[in-house]
Amino acid sequence: KQEVTQIPAALSVPEGENLVLNCSFTDSAIYNLQWFRQDPGKGLTSLLLIQSSQREQTSGRLNASLDKSSGRSTLYIAASQPGDSATYLCAVSNSNYQLIWGAGTKLIIKP
Amino acid sequence: DAGVIQSPRHEVTEMGQEVTLRCKPISGHNSLFWYRQTMMRGLELLIYFNNNVPIDDSGMPEDRFSAKMPNASFSTLKIQPSEPRDSAVYFCASSLESATGELFFGEGSRLTVL
Repeated sequence: KQEVTQIPAALSVPEGENLVLNCSFTDSAIYNLQWFRQDPGKGLTSLLLIQSSQREQTSGRLNASLDKSSGRSTLYIAASQPGDSATYLCAVSNSNYQLIWGAGTKLIIKP
Repeated sequence: DAGVIQSPRHEVTEMGQEVTLRCKPISGHNSLFWYRQTMMRGLELLIYFNNNVPIDDSGMPEDRFSAKMPNASFSTLKIQPSEPRDSAVYFCASSLESATGELFFGEGSRLTVL
């Protein structure tokens, strides 16, 4: 059974720092992995989607990597800003529609 | 595109009442998902539709929950009768290609059952 873990559960860093969020999964037979952002009281916003054949995806200051063999993905945020404060969730797909979700990392960027 | 549209954004009702949540997916998307989010259980998939057909409803908690998708642009999630333990945020999401594609979420419907 696929399990997705995100560590740490919460992270607080000063503005301007580069940071890495971690996501690990137990079954390497995945279709893809997605990173989402959720602001308080809001829905989830897709940030990056990495297909199983890909190693990384980049969007602006965000870079997500995928290492299926080790069951790990990282989300790298460069030059963090207070507006990056949110909960970040990763989800893996190992069927054609089921997503297995991590519990999220709550990120606070201090001005 | 306006994105996935859900209504109502907030609903407060009394135990035993019927609740209907509505969703308009992104035009052209053929997959629609209903999720429930709580602090205790995180995100739970309730039901998945593909081309308006329910494919997997194994996440629907019990017979009090039902979902329909009469056409490609509209879906409803109904709870009858509602109970306090149904209090949660209910999200609708759509995708162009089921879970192999990017998933787009609505803003959610926050349900409180007193």
